[in-house]
Amino acid sequence: GAGVSQSPRYKVAKRGQDVALRCDPISGHVSLFWYQQALGQGPEFLTYFQNEAQLDKSGLPSDRFFAERPEGSVSTLKIQRTQQEDSAVYLCASSWQPGAGYEQYFGPGTRLTVT
Amino acid sequence: SQQGEEDPQALSIQEGENATMNCSYKTSINNLQWYRQNSGRGLVHLILIRSNEREKHSGRLRVTLDTSKKSSSLLITASRAADTASYFCAPIAGGTSYGKLTFGQGTILTVHP
Repeated sequence: GAGVSQSPRYKVAKRGQDVALRCDPISGHVSLFWYQQALGQGPEFLTYFQNEAQLDKSGLPSDRFFAERPEGSVSTLKIQRTQQEDSAVYLCASSWQPGAGYEQYFGPGTRLTVT
Repeated sequence: SQQGEEDPQALSIQEGENATMNCSYKTSINNLQWYRQNSGRGLVHLILIRSNEREKHSGRLRVTLDTSKKSSSLLITASRAADTASYFCAPIAGGTSYGKLTFGQGTILTVHP
């Protein structure tokens, strides 16, 4: 595809519901990142995949957050039993190689509102 | 964590003026990246400067890096209303095996037509 896509763009969930957020990275990109951005703040790192391997999940705020990338392309971020503090924009980014010296291409984000 | 801190928090200028934003960080870096975010949108990569580079240009953008002061600056020349956005720096720590980005709060730039 032309860029990173994310779906849905907007999600409203009642507290306690489970949600699943999808990311389609640029085809062939090895690295995939998830970030969480609260209102008025910069994005914060959640987790990193190199192909299908989740190499860093140090940013996931609790065990209610789970991410997967089973075939090394599409990724899903799942949040169980959503809480109001989970309300944020969730950004996905990909880069074509692993390693620290590559730019990341961001999707438009999914805005999650927990009521 | 290796987080960039942008300064100023907000900047308001007239179209045609130059805009300068600064970034400070704490430990050694592999490279430093600048990103732009328009309201309600994803981030767009602007420029990457490596630790052994001192200056880099891309169109109307000029980035400098001073590793001795652990600081970087982004200069936008001849600004346009379309440059209105939030700007973030993201230093990538030295010894990092992948590009985990850590952002500060950013600089909100407003360019008035």
